[in-house]
Amino acid sequence: ELKVEQNPLFLSMQEGKNYTIYCNYSTTSDRLYWYRQDPGKSLESLFVLLSNGAVKQEGRLMASLDTKARLSTLHITAAVHDLSATYFCAVVPLTGNQFYFGTGTSLTVIP
Amino acid sequence: GAVVSQHPSRVICKSGTSVKIECRSLDFQATTMFWYRQFPKQSLMLMATSNEGSKATYEQGVEKDKFLINHASLTLSTLTVTSAHPEDSSFYICSAPDFSSSTDTQYFGPGTRLTVL
Repeated sequence: ELKVEQNPLFLSMQEGKNYTIYCNYSTTSDRLYWYRQDPGKSLESLFVLLSNGAVKQEGRLMASLDTKARLSTLHITAAVHDLSATYFCAVVPLTGNQFYFGTGTSLTVIP
Repeated sequence: GAVVSQHPSRVICKSGTSVKIECRSLDFQATTMFWYRQFPKQSLMLMATSNEGSKATYEQGVEKDKFLINHASLTLSTLTVTSAHPEDSSFYICSAPDFSSSTDTQYFGPGTRLTVL
């Protein structure tokens, strides 16, 4: 059974602080995606990581991928309240096109 | 960028009725679409892969006779929840990959919130 686990599930952090969300997966893959979801809304694409060692940055968020360790990270720098949302990683196995989502990390940034 | 729409955005129905949800790719062709279900405060669970012109592929544990999928054209997939019950109440999201893009990214619809009374 394919598993995609995120850690932590819940994160409460103060504005200005840094933190990292981890995404571990159990299948062989070279495609990993990060999404943001606001309450009651669909998914917003954040990052697409397509190779081992890939690193992407956008604003206060930076994502990386280590395919050998089957691990991706989403690093938050100097958090602001607007980043409060639920973040999902999603993995696409080498043998298919289906997206399998992680457990999600609910982030609350406290002013 | 590519856009995927869903209709309706919200639906409330009585137990035992059937509900049809449409998913459309608006500016690209999608030979494959995916259907997900998301319960409150949980992740998205892949239900099935919708294939244009052929039968859908269902994930383990998803009843194909209860969740009917039809992918009749390159821009439209429908999910029909048959004989809906309160436990089917959920947020249903479709997605479509745009294989013409360099990243094979998925574009997600806005979701349909189903409430079964």
